[in-house]
Amino acid sequence: EPEVTQTPSHQVTQMGQEVILRCVPISNHLYFYWYRQILGQKVEFLVSFYNNEISEKSEIFDDQFSVERPDGSNFTLKIRSTKLEDSAMYFCASSPRDRGYEQYFGPGTRLTVT
Amino acid sequence: KNQVEQSPQSLIILEGKNCTLQCNYTVSPFSNLRWYKQDTGRGPVSLTIMTFSENTKSNGRYTATLDADTKQSSLHITASQLSDSASYICVVSAGSGGSYIPTFGRGTSLIVHP
Repeated sequence: EPEVTQTPSHQVTQMGQEVILRCVPISNHLYFYWYRQILGQKVEFLVSFYNNEISEKSEIFDDQFSVERPDGSNFTLKIRSTKLEDSAMYFCASSPRDRGYEQYFGPGTRLTVT
Repeated sequence: KNQVEQSPQSLIILEGKNCTLQCNYTVSPFSNLRWYKQDTGRGPVSLTIMTFSENTKSNGRYTATLDADTKQSSLHITASQLSDSASYICVVSAGSGGSYIPTFGRGTSLIVHP
């Protein structure tokens, strides 16, 4: 069964550094999402992406965040200058065109900012 | 502000027993309600999805109900198994036309003991 994959599984970075989290959505899906989950807290929506542009974003998704679909398979989340409070689990999700609410989540990337 | 409240926060039951988890929401305009199962350190996995017109949906031993008038949902787990130990998250989405802004609950942590 097709699934969303994410790399790396764990990323450690120093405060102020840039990180890029990578996701490969399910191949025939057209909607893509990023979420984060700070340890012990609920999952929070960051951004949704469709037709090569951001369709929705939360107030968390400020100027330090950006997303890109650099080719036909990858979907990336870039954090320009990481802060300690960016430490979290970051989940990518994708959904098919006709069922945008049916989101399939990847296993997540644990980001640790030191 | 859109909110999703879940109860109880945690629940311990014996293997083979049934249990019911609750979700109350204030999300507008309502689009759909989903229940996810999240194992520790993993991405959420969808159990059920319900739209406004549906008031019950089953997936094996999981049965979700939705009362759109009172804005309440429940997830009933029948004949629990050890593998049911996980966090169960209620997610309510607002929006339409392919754009779905999800609001996550904090989850109910279920522990099934032998």
